[in-house]
Amino acid sequence: EVQLVESGGGLVQPGRSLRLSCTTSGFTFGTSAMSWVRQAPGKGMQWVGFIRHKADGGTAEYAASVKGRFTVSRDDSESVAYLQMNSLKTEDTAVYYCTKEDAGNSDYWGQGTLVTVSS
Amino acid sequence: QLVLTQSPSASASLGASVKLTCTLSSGHSSRPIAWHQQQPEKGPRYLMRVNSDGSHSRGDGIPDRFSGSSSGSERYLTISSLQSEDEADYFCQTWDTDIRVFGGGTKLTVL
Repeated sequence: EVQLVESGGGLVQPGRSLRLSCTTSGFTFGTSAMSWVRQAPGKGMQWVGFIRHKADGGTAEYAASVKGRFTVSRDDSESVAYLQMNSLKTEDTAVYYCTKEDAGNSDYWGQGTLVTVSS
Repeated sequence: QLVLTQSPSASASLGASVKLTCTLSSGHSSRPIAWHQQQPEKGPRYLMRVNSDGSHSRGDGIPDRFSGSSSGSERYLTISSLQSEDEADYFCQTWDTDIRVFGGGTKLTVL
């Protein structure tokens, strides 16, 4: 059974940093791209970034709204994906989901972790 | 620019069928899309991928009441024999080599 479990969310002040983790099991993590997607309160889904698997270069891409502030990384030995969020803004407040990808589309989702950016 | 457009809301009666639409922006009519469901207060669930030729592949455990189709730049999700638990937000997704895009979502009400 594929499982993705996000952790690391919480309340953080504007300008500070937070790192989210996505612990996975039930699939071959090393050959899967992984995405982060967020949902602000009462809003739709917004793509944040994704990281390719190593055979595809292992590089990451980002939405314009987070580029330069957020970094997606992965630890294939532990089957974990990370989202490092720096210089957080109030508009980054959202539930953050990690997803497993299959040829571009997300085919499994985690349950999400809430990040609240507020003073 | 790669954009997906969905109607904000739809409704249908219990036991009936409903067809939801996701429209790709101009110049992108050959792209596949994915459909996802988000029930109230729950995380999203992948439903299926729909290709430009109308072929579709459902995710694990998705019943065959859910089907996909395509016409031009439009991708469809049809839900038959509507059940109360089908009341949810449905959103589509597409992608390119360096970007992922989501539609705004359609809130489905089962009457």
